[in-house]
This record gives sequence, C-alpha cells and structure tokens, in this order.
Amino acid sequence: AQSVTQLDSQVPVFEEAPVELRCNYSSSVSVYLFWYVQYPNQGLQLLLKYLSGSTLVKGINGFEAEFNKSQTSFHLRKPSVHISDTAEYFCAVTNTGFQKLVFGTGTRLLVSP
Amino acid sequence: SAVISQKPSRDICQRGTSLTIQCQVDSQVTMMFWYRQQPGQSLTLIATANQGSEATYESGFVIDKFPISRPNLTFSTLTVSNMSPEDSSIYLCSVLLAGSTYEQYFGPGTRLTVT
Repeated sequence: AQSVTQLDSQVPVFEEAPVELRCNYSSSVSVYLFWYVQYPNQGLQLLLKYLSGSTLVKGINGFEAEFNKSQTSFHLRKPSVHISDTAEYFCAVTNTGFQKLVFGTGTRLLVSP
Repeated sequence: SAVISQKPSRDICQRGTSLTIQCQVDSQVTMMFWYRQQPGQSLTLIATANQGSEATYESGFVIDKFPISRPNLTFSTLTVSNMSPEDSSIYLCSVLLAGSTYEQYFGPGTRLTVT
C-alpha cells in the first residue's frame, strides 16, 4: 500500500517570493506521483504529474516538481508566487497499475502582499 | 480533458434521511470514483464505481450506507443513507479518462450539511 506525507499543513509566503511544498511518499512498488490544487469552494485541478522519464516535471501556472527516488520525495516548487496561488495543494500517489489515488493531508499556501 | 457535473451542488438534509448525488461526464471514461472530503481534511476514497456491477468499497465504507450505481460509462450516483451530522462533507466524483495518461479529473463536488 502507498501513503503520502505532507509535513506542512500551512505555508505563509509573501507575493513574488519562492515557495516549496514538501511531499514524501511510501511505497514498496513503483509509483506515479501527482500534485493537485484546490481553490476555495472549487474541485481539484491537476497541476502536474510524474509517470517516468525526467525527474523534473513542469506543470501549469509556473509550478514544477522534482521526483527523488532515493529520498522518496516529490516536492512542489514555484520561483515566484502570486496572490492567486493561494489555495490548498494535495500530493497524491498511485502504483503503476493505477488502482487508486492516495492523497496527502494537504498544504494550505497563503500568499500575502 | 473532461467536464464533470454533479447534482446537487449543495444540500442541507435532516438526520435520518437519504440523499442521492449524481455525476455526469461528457467523455468516455474507464474508471469512476467517489471521494469524501470532510471539513478541513484531505480526500478519502469511498469506492470505485463499476459499470454494470457492484462498486468496490474501501475499508470503512459499506454498500448499505453508500450505495452506488453506474448504469453506463458516463453516469454514476452515490447515495448517502440514513444520514447523521458526521456525514457532513463534500462528496466528489472523479474519473479516469479512456486513453488518458493517468490523469484523474474531479467534479466540483456536492457540499452536504446534515442537521
């Protein structure tokens, strides 16, 4: 079985500053990894995904994430955040047979002016 | 991509009653899922809706409480039965598109409050 840990429940940051949201996973098999964003009162939107190949993946809205197998991590980064990035961010994992997505507890990104 | 609609978008229900939530997708999908998101928490998978057969439930969820139907490839319903205040949550429908590279799409959710 897979599991995901998002250690930071909330990350406050000033506008135009860089940000990193941490995600660690646990699995005994090969995995696919995802980051989703949930804006207030909305459904989830896929930001980016890692399936295979390059460990640095780029997503929408200027976000990127790096898959690190040795550290079992998939941290999300953005070099300069905007007020509009304020949202809840969820890391998720599934095995390569895609039986189901397992979500982390989420990190609330709060961007202030 | 896919457009997923859910009905109702929100409801306030009395304890002991049942509510059926509908999920409609505009594309062919391989898998459909139902999730629960309790206030301030992450998503928990309730079940995988299987076309023409009984849904596959996750640990802690049972068919009597959350009966699910999926009569065709693009439509599913989730019923929350004999509701209690603990069932107050957002219920989300999610799909995996046919031929997609494991991109799971989510509906806007149904916000349920049980009084």
